Amino acid sequence: DTAVSQTPKYLVTQMGNDKSIKCEQNLGHDTMYWYKQDSKKFLKIMFSYNNKELIINETVPNRFSPKSPDKAHLNLHINSLELGDSAVYFCASSQDQRPGNTIYFGEGSWLTVV
Amino acid sequence: AQSVSQHNHHVILSEAASLELGCNYSYGGTVNLFWYVQYPGQHLQLLLKYFSGDPLVKGIKGFEAEFIKSKFSFNLRKPSVQWSDTAEYFCAVSQEGYKYIFGTGTRLKVLA
Repeated sequence: DTAVSQTPKYLVTQMGNDKSIKCEQNLGHDTMYWYKQDSKKFLKIMFSYNNKELIINETVPNRFSPKSPDKAHLNLHINSLELGDSAVYFCASSQDQRPGNTIYFGEGSWLTVV
Repeated sequence: AQSVSQHNHHVILSEAASLELGCNYSYGGTVNLFWYVQYPGQHLQLLLKYFSGDPLVKGIKGFEAEFIKSKFSFNLRKPSVQWSDTAEYFCAVSQEGYKYIFGTGTRLKVLA
């Protein structure tokens, strides 16, 4: 069983479209994240949720809206997609907010905006 | 601002060579330190981590890292690399009240 699973794995879409990426973790963790990895492999946090509540919201355009229906799920919706949104988006989770926790990553969603 | 620096962006080694990847951070106080590895086309996974105690930490696949507090460093080492170690390596730091910060990664290519 995959611990952190996200779908779709690959997504190619046109500029201006709206798309969603879904994420689920079966580890019983309280905290979930979305990270963006750009073409230079730079990994940057976008959002973090703890028990369905938003705790980290980096300077991300408000076209990006996370939703956590329960603590096992954290979905990412992106409106009006732009070319610069092309990247790999990683969902992740950790047991809780404590800084020493290991982060478990999903396999990534490769988003290409054309 | 807090930062994590990985000065080696690309490293190319032959099999059996020794590896050392640098990682420096700019935080003061107590930190938690991590190395993650990302194999081609895969997700990041933990190699090793340091919380406290022995500054020499051993991880999976023969990797180890040494925390040197006076140098704000947490360098990753492996005495003899294999072709299968070809991957991207990320250093990360977390501190109470702060989110994880990842370094920019080091791309390691091991030639067979």
